[in-house]
Amino acid sequence: DQQVKQNSPSLSVQEGRISILNCDYTNSMFDYFLWYKKYPAEGPTFLISISSIKDKNEDGRFTVFLNKSAKHLSLHIVPSQPGDSAVYFCAARGMNRDDKIIFGKGTRLHILP
Amino acid sequence: GAVVSQHPSRVICKSGTSVKIECRSLDFQATTMFWYRQFPKQSLMLMATSNEGSKATYEQGVEKDKFLINHASLTLSTLTVTSAHPEDSSFYICSARATGHPTDTQYFGPGTRLTVL
Repeated sequence: DQQVKQNSPSLSVQEGRISILNCDYTNSMFDYFLWYKKYPAEGPTFLISISSIKDKNEDGRFTVFLNKSAKHLSLHIVPSQPGDSAVYFCAARGMNRDDKIIFGKGTRLHILP
Repeated sequence: GAVVSQHPSRVICKSGTSVKIECRSLDFQATTMFWYRQFPKQSLMLMATSNEGSKATYEQGVEKDKFLINHASLTLSTLTVTSAHPEDSSFYICSARATGHPTDTQYFGPGTRLTVL
């Protein structure tokens, strides 16, 4: 049972345009959401997160939006750059700081020149 | 940022042999380390959580006698895949959490690609 779903395995976006990566979750107990970026042969690196008490968090070119009623979050990257080409994992955990993190399957983002 | 290393990065072994994978936190002390497995086109699946000086906590469906985890120091955890079989072929990633930090501040290693022939 996939609690964190990334339904798009891949996405191609023109350089300079906006990249939107989507994520849905099923567990209403999730309280904290994260996005990780992963390059080939490297481990995932933390990108941005959002608490359930917020609906938006912005960090430079990266913005995460959370819609709790729809159990949906999205990561916006604007403008997209060639170095953004990577696999992006959506992840979630419960309220407890020690709760394990549940990952989605990832979306491979290709930034086209 | 914090650095976590894994060794080896790639290993090929024969069926029935055992393989040990090391995970080290290079510039911080990690009370807790996590071991994940990722099959192609699948998500990272948590296998076990190891706390320094105590027994690892395994996720449901993960055989503790097959995947031996040792976390003997604050900077080193090892995963030993015993009597490996082709179905154990996967990408194994460890992560480490600094002492006192929540689980979301995990720092991941680069992963180990295990191929069992």
